[in-house]
Amino acid sequence: AQTVTQSQPEMSVQEAETVTLSCTYDTSESDYYLFWYKQPPSRQMILVIRQEAYKQQNATENRFSVNFQKAAKSFSLKISDSQLGDAAMYFCAPAGNEKLTFGTGTRLTIIP
Amino acid sequence: SQTIHQWPATLVQPVGSPLSLECTVEGTSNPNLYWYRQAAGRGLQLLFYSVGIGQISSEVPQNLSASRPQDRQFILSSKKLLLSDSGFYLCAWSAGAWTEAFFGQGTRLTVV
Repeated sequence: AQTVTQSQPEMSVQEAETVTLSCTYDTSESDYYLFWYKQPPSRQMILVIRQEAYKQQNATENRFSVNFQKAAKSFSLKISDSQLGDAAMYFCAPAGNEKLTFGTGTRLTIIP
Repeated sequence: SQTIHQWPATLVQPVGSPLSLECTVEGTSNPNLYWYRQAAGRGLQLLFYSVGIGQISSEVPQNLSASRPQDRQFILSSKKLLLSDSGFYLCAWSAGAWTEAFFGQGTRLTVV
């Protein structure tokens, strides 16, 4: 079974600044992946970044990077140089054998 | 390339009426298929997932059912809708375990 906790229902950041969204999870599986998705007002789910749990190196994707702490079961997302288009709901999601479980999300607001 | 189609985009149904939401995937074979529900401003709740034709796993006992009559077709149904069935329904597919999911455009269901 997998559980996901996103403890920040809402976050805001000034445009061009950096923001970190937190996520903790629990899983009984030894092999799994972790994902961050964003959901803009259009409600389309968009993959932001992925992390293989067996890799120690943190994933990066342009302005997006993660801080993956496997022992602590923590998987935070850092957004650098925030842009207006980053405004969205962000969901953390571990993927184990067969299914993908989502957290409750963090609503990110970008302040111009 | 793979694409996922989900319809209808919006639906208004009276209490007690039946429901059928359809989702099809193109460009891949034997995908894992998922139905999620998202209440307003909330996270994604996994309702059903399927790893093959006729194989359905239910995550939450409720007024809904799912079927997979063909490899790339996933249907969400109800015999009698309740007010509490209102929400945003998302279909998704993945290539298998430990991989990201790709989402349809979603169906906004309002039960009146």
